[in-house]
Amino acid sequence: ETGVTQSPTHLIKTRGQQVTLRCSSQSGHNTVSWYQQALGQGPQFIFQYYREEENGRGNFPPRFSGLQFPNYSSELNVNALELDDSALYLCASSLGLSARSYEQYFGPGTRLTVT
Amino acid sequence: DQQVKQNSPSLSVQEGRISILNCDYTNSMFDYFLWYKKYPAEGPTFLISISSIKDKNEDGRFTVFLNKSAKHLSLHIVPSQPGDSAVYFCAASAEKDSNYQLIWGAGTKLIIKP
Repeated sequence: ETGVTQSPTHLIKTRGQQVTLRCSSQSGHNTVSWYQQALGQGPQFIFQYYREEENGRGNFPPRFSGLQFPNYSSELNVNALELDDSALYLCASSLGLSARSYEQYFGPGTRLTVT
Repeated sequence: DQQVKQNSPSLSVQEGRISILNCDYTNSMFDYFLWYKKYPAEGPTFLISISSIKDKNEDGRFTVFLNKSAKHLSLHIVPSQPGDSAVYFCAASAEKDSNYQLIWGAGTKLIIKP
Protein backbone atom coordinates (compact mmCIF):
# COMPACT_ATOMS: atom_id res chain seq x y z
CA GLU A 1 0.00 0.00 0.00
CA THR A 2 1.52 3.31 -1.11
CA GLY A 3 1.42 6.19 1.36
CA VAL A 4 0.78 9.86 0.68
CA THR A 5 3.58 11.55 -1.23
CA GLN A 6 4.18 15.24 -1.90
CA SER A 7 6.45 17.11 -4.26
CA PRO A 8 8.62 19.04 -4.11
CA THR A 9 9.94 18.71 -0.56
CA HIS A 10 11.34 22.24 -0.49
CA LEU A 11 10.71 25.28 -2.64
CA ILE A 12 11.92 28.88 -2.66
CA LYS A 13 9.87 31.49 -4.51
CA THR A 14 9.84 35.25 -4.83
CA ARG A 15 6.94 37.45 -3.71
CA GLY A 16 4.40 37.83 -6.51
CA GLN A 17 5.23 34.52 -8.17
CA GLN A 18 2.93 31.52 -8.52
CA VAL A 19 3.53 28.02 -7.17
CA THR A 20 2.03 24.56 -7.70
CA LEU A 21 2.39 21.85 -5.09
CA ARG A 22 1.52 18.23 -5.81
CA CYS A 23 0.14 15.35 -3.78
CA SER A 24 -0.50 11.68 -4.47
CA SER A 25 -3.13 10.15 -2.23
CA GLN A 26 -2.90 6.85 -0.42
CA SER A 27 -4.17 4.01 -2.56
CA GLY A 28 -7.97 3.75 -2.46
CA HIS A 29 -8.54 7.18 -0.89
CA ASN A 30 -10.90 9.54 -2.74
CA THR A 31 -10.72 12.59 -0.47
CA VAL A 32 -7.82 14.99 -0.15
CA SER A 33 -7.37 17.92 2.20
CA TRP A 34 -4.72 20.60 2.13
CA TYR A 35 -3.34 22.37 5.19
CA GLN A 36 -0.95 25.24 5.84
CA GLN A 37 1.24 24.93 8.93
CA ALA A 38 3.12 28.02 10.02
CA LEU A 39 6.08 27.65 12.37
CA GLY A 40 4.98 26.82 15.94
CA GLN A 41 1.33 26.43 15.00
CA GLY A 42 -1.03 23.62 14.18
CA PRO A 43 -2.15 22.92 10.62
CA GLN A 44 -4.83 25.24 9.22
CA PHE A 45 -7.40 23.83 6.83
CA ILE A 46 -7.21 25.31 3.33
CA PHE A 47 -9.72 23.16 1.42
CA GLN A 48 -10.89 19.63 0.76
CA TYR A 49 -11.65 17.80 -2.49
CA TYR A 50 -13.91 14.80 -2.81
CA ARG A 51 -14.17 12.99 -6.14
CA GLU A 52 -12.71 15.97 -8.02
CA GLU A 53 -15.08 18.55 -6.48
CA GLU A 54 -14.19 21.11 -3.82
CA ASN A 55 -16.11 19.98 -0.75
CA GLY A 56 -15.17 22.63 1.78
CA ARG A 57 -12.89 25.59 2.25
CA GLY A 58 -11.21 27.27 5.19
CA ASN A 59 -10.49 30.97 5.66
CA PHE A 60 -8.05 31.39 2.75
CA PRO A 61 -8.29 33.89 -0.13
CA PRO A 62 -9.19 32.84 -3.69
CA ARG A 63 -5.55 33.00 -4.77
CA PHE A 64 -5.31 29.60 -3.07
CA SER A 65 -6.89 27.13 -5.47
CA GLY A 66 -6.79 23.42 -6.05
CA LEU A 67 -7.52 20.52 -8.32
CA GLN A 68 -8.17 16.84 -7.81
CA PHE A 69 -7.64 14.50 -10.73
CA PRO A 70 -9.51 11.28 -11.67
CA ASN A 71 -6.74 9.21 -10.07
CA TYR A 72 -7.34 11.28 -6.89
CA SER A 73 -3.96 12.97 -7.00
CA SER A 74 -4.16 16.66 -6.25
CA GLU A 75 -2.58 20.08 -6.76
CA LEU A 76 -2.49 23.20 -4.63
CA ASN A 77 -1.90 26.43 -6.56
CA VAL A 78 -1.03 29.71 -4.93
CA ASN A 79 -0.96 32.90 -7.01
CA ALA A 80 0.62 36.26 -6.16
CA LEU A 81 2.75 34.81 -3.38
CA GLU A 82 3.14 36.85 -0.21
CA LEU A 83 5.82 36.60 2.46
CA ASP A 84 3.22 35.21 4.92
CA ASP A 85 2.64 32.26 2.61
CA SER A 86 5.96 30.83 3.82
CA ALA A 87 4.95 27.65 5.63
CA LEU A 88 4.81 23.87 5.52
CA TYR A 89 2.00 22.72 3.22
CA LEU A 90 0.52 19.36 4.13
CA CYS A 91 -1.67 17.13 2.05
CA ALA A 92 -3.85 14.50 3.69
CA SER A 93 -5.91 11.75 2.09
CA SER A 94 -8.88 9.90 3.52
CA LEU A 95 -11.69 7.66 2.44
CA GLY A 96 -15.13 9.11 1.84
CA LEU A 97 -17.07 11.72 3.76
CA SER A 98 -17.91 9.89 6.96
CA ALA A 99 -16.57 10.18 10.48
CA ARG A 100 -13.73 7.96 9.35
CA SER A 101 -12.68 10.65 6.90
CA TYR A 102 -11.44 12.59 9.89
CA GLU A 103 -8.76 9.94 10.24
CA GLN A 104 -6.54 11.40 7.60
CA TYR A 105 -3.19 10.16 6.33
CA PHE A 106 -0.65 12.88 5.82
CA GLY A 107 2.24 13.32 3.45
CA PRO A 108 5.58 14.71 4.70
CA GLY A 109 4.75 18.19 3.43
CA THR A 110 6.30 20.80 1.14
CA ARG A 111 8.30 23.56 2.80
CA LEU A 112 7.63 26.79 0.89
CA THR A 113 9.79 29.84 1.49
CA VAL A 114 8.77 33.16 -0.06
CA THR A 115 11.45 35.84 -0.23
CA ASP B 1 -9.90 33.14 18.12
CA GLN B 2 -8.34 29.77 18.97
CA GLN B 3 -11.07 27.18 19.23
CA VAL B 4 -8.65 24.39 20.19
CA LYS B 5 -5.93 25.15 22.70
CA GLN B 6 -2.95 23.16 23.86
CA ASN B 7 -1.53 25.35 26.58
CA SER B 8 1.67 23.41 27.20
CA PRO B 9 4.19 23.93 24.39
CA SER B 10 6.35 21.15 25.81
CA LEU B 11 6.32 18.35 28.38
CA SER B 12 9.18 16.25 29.71
CA VAL B 13 8.45 12.80 31.22
CA GLN B 14 10.63 10.00 32.54
CA GLU B 15 10.62 6.78 30.53
CA GLY B 16 8.15 4.29 32.01
CA ARG B 17 6.01 6.96 33.64
CA ILE B 18 2.64 8.29 32.49
CA SER B 19 2.50 11.16 29.98
CA ILE B 20 -0.61 13.33 30.12
CA LEU B 21 -1.23 15.80 27.30
CA ASN B 22 -4.08 18.25 27.63
CA CYS B 23 -6.35 20.04 25.19
CA ASP B 24 -9.16 22.55 25.73
CA TYR B 25 -11.79 23.66 23.26
CA THR B 26 -14.34 26.43 23.13
CA ASN B 27 -16.81 25.36 20.44
CA SER B 28 -19.64 23.31 21.98
CA MET B 29 -20.57 22.05 18.50
CA PHE B 30 -17.41 19.94 18.29
CA ASP B 31 -18.41 16.29 18.46
CA TYR B 32 -15.34 14.40 17.26
CA PHE B 33 -11.82 14.71 18.56
CA LEU B 34 -8.53 13.27 17.38
CA TRP B 35 -4.93 13.11 18.47
CA TYR B 36 -2.10 13.10 15.98
CA LYS B 37 1.61 12.55 16.53
CA LYS B 38 4.28 14.24 14.42
CA TYR B 39 7.95 13.40 14.10
CA PRO B 40 10.38 15.92 12.52
CA ALA B 41 10.32 15.93 8.69
CA GLU B 42 7.21 13.73 8.62
CA GLY B 43 3.51 14.48 8.33
CA PRO B 44 1.21 14.01 11.34
CA THR B 45 0.16 10.42 12.04
CA PHE B 46 -3.31 9.59 13.36
CA LEU B 47 -3.11 8.19 16.89
CA ILE B 48 -6.54 7.89 18.47
CA SER B 49 -9.98 9.50 18.29
CA ILE B 50 -13.08 9.87 20.41
CA SER B 51 -16.67 10.73 19.65
CA SER B 52 -18.58 13.08 21.92
CA ILE B 53 -20.96 10.26 22.87
CA LYS B 54 -18.12 8.61 24.77
CA ASP B 55 -15.95 9.82 27.62
CA LYS B 56 -13.08 7.39 27.16
CA ASN B 57 -11.38 5.51 24.36
CA GLU B 58 -8.44 3.18 24.81
CA ASP B 59 -5.98 1.73 22.32
CA GLY B 60 -3.04 -0.11 23.80
CA ARG B 61 -0.86 2.32 25.73
CA PHE B 62 -2.96 5.30 24.61
CA THR B 63 -6.17 6.46 26.26
CA VAL B 64 -8.13 9.59 25.47
CA PHE B 65 -10.52 11.07 28.02
CA LEU B 66 -13.23 13.57 27.14
CA ASN B 67 -14.91 15.88 29.65
CA LYS B 68 -17.65 17.64 27.71
CA SER B 69 -18.84 19.83 30.56
CA ALA B 70 -15.31 21.21 30.98
CA LYS B 71 -14.65 21.20 27.23
CA HIS B 72 -11.44 19.36 27.94
CA LEU B 73 -9.74 16.27 26.63
CA SER B 74 -6.55 14.56 27.56
CA LEU B 75 -4.29 11.90 26.10
CA HIS B 76 -2.64 9.46 28.50
CA ILE B 77 0.35 7.39 27.43
CA VAL B 78 1.28 4.56 29.78
CA PRO B 79 4.05 3.56 30.01
CA SER B 80 5.94 6.27 28.13
CA GLN B 81 8.64 5.04 25.77
CA PRO B 82 11.52 6.89 24.03
CA GLY B 83 9.75 6.48 20.66
CA ASP B 84 6.86 8.54 22.02
CA SER B 85 9.02 11.67 21.84
CA ALA B 86 7.23 13.78 19.23
CA VAL B 87 4.87 16.72 18.83
CA TYR B 88 1.26 15.81 19.69
CA PHE B 89 -1.64 17.69 18.13
CA CYS B 90 -5.21 17.72 19.31
CA ALA B 91 -7.84 18.31 16.59
CA ALA B 92 -11.62 18.71 16.66
CA SER B 93 -14.50 18.74 14.24
CA ALA B 94 -18.23 19.36 14.15
CA GLU B 95 -20.10 16.67 12.19
CA LYS B 96 -22.75 19.19 11.19
CA ASP B 97 -20.07 21.38 9.65
CA SER B 98 -20.35 20.34 6.02
CA ASN B 99 -16.76 21.34 5.42
CA TYR B 100 -15.59 18.35 7.49
CA GLN B 101 -12.62 20.46 8.43
CA LEU B 102 -10.46 19.75 11.42
CA ILE B 103 -9.51 22.57 13.80
CA TRP B 104 -6.07 21.95 15.29
CA GLY B 105 -4.27 23.01 18.42
CA ALA B 106 -0.72 24.35 18.26
CA GLY B 107 0.79 21.11 19.53
CA THR B 108 2.71 19.93 22.59
CA LYS B 109 6.26 18.66 22.25
CA LEU B 110 6.66 15.54 24.38
CA ILE B 111 10.18 14.59 25.45
CA ILE B 112 10.70 11.18 27.05
CA LYS B 113 13.84 11.10 29.19
CA PRO B 114 15.72 7.80 29.55
